[in-house]
Amino acid sequence: ETGVTQSPTHLIKTRGQQVTLRCSSQSGHNTVSWYQQALGQGPQFIFQYYREEENGRGNFPPRFSGLQFPNYSSELNVNALELDDSALYLCASSLGTGVTGELFFGEGSRLTVL
Amino acid sequence: AQKITQTQPGMFVQEKEAVTLDCTYDTSDQSYGLFWYKQPSSGEMIFLIYQGSYDEQNATEGRYSLNFQKARKSANLVISASQLGDSAMYFCAMLRNTGGFKTIFGAGTRLFVKA
Repeated sequence: ETGVTQSPTHLIKTRGQQVTLRCSSQSGHNTVSWYQQALGQGPQFIFQYYREEENGRGNFPPRFSGLQFPNYSSELNVNALELDDSALYLCASSLGTGVTGELFFGEGSRLTVL
Repeated sequence: AQKITQTQPGMFVQEKEAVTLDCTYDTSDQSYGLFWYKQPSSGEMIFLIYQGSYDEQNATEGRYSLNFQKARKSANLVISASQLGDSAMYFCAMLRNTGGFKTIFGAGTRLFVKA
């Protein structure tokens, strides 16, 4: 168990709605990154937050946004949901922003968009 | 383009035998990190092993070793003495921090361990 918790674990939304996913990072970690994993595919990097600032972003449209709070927990917000947004959303925490840091993943939030 | 390629969608191995999962990567960065993660059916990603781009020695972690060939841009995972619990998806990933931080994952290899 990594100490990274995500909520909710499962949720169902309809097209056009908005969703907020939450992540509590492992104690002592100041970096959080988010990933979208469609069924049968590898995780796709959405963005990363370090000390409350976004410091990296993948190829996702602006309707994917995030926040990191002073306690280093984080939120992923997705507006105007589309059917293709159905996926497992993974959060990972780490220490610092170097390329050596192991990512500690939560168990994910499975989003279904109808 | 920065990318990770895993060419084996599925692999079978007999229990107690060794297996190699292939990973090639493409980057123009000098500094990067290479990782392997295991994802059981439960969905959680489990860290297995790390190799830095400047590391000269191949990384090892228990039954896992990483065969790092920098000139060929390959980072293959070797699992020795396979166990039934090794059956899972395995992902190769690259961390880079040039022009913004990014993690790139491959498409994964599903490993089946036979009794």
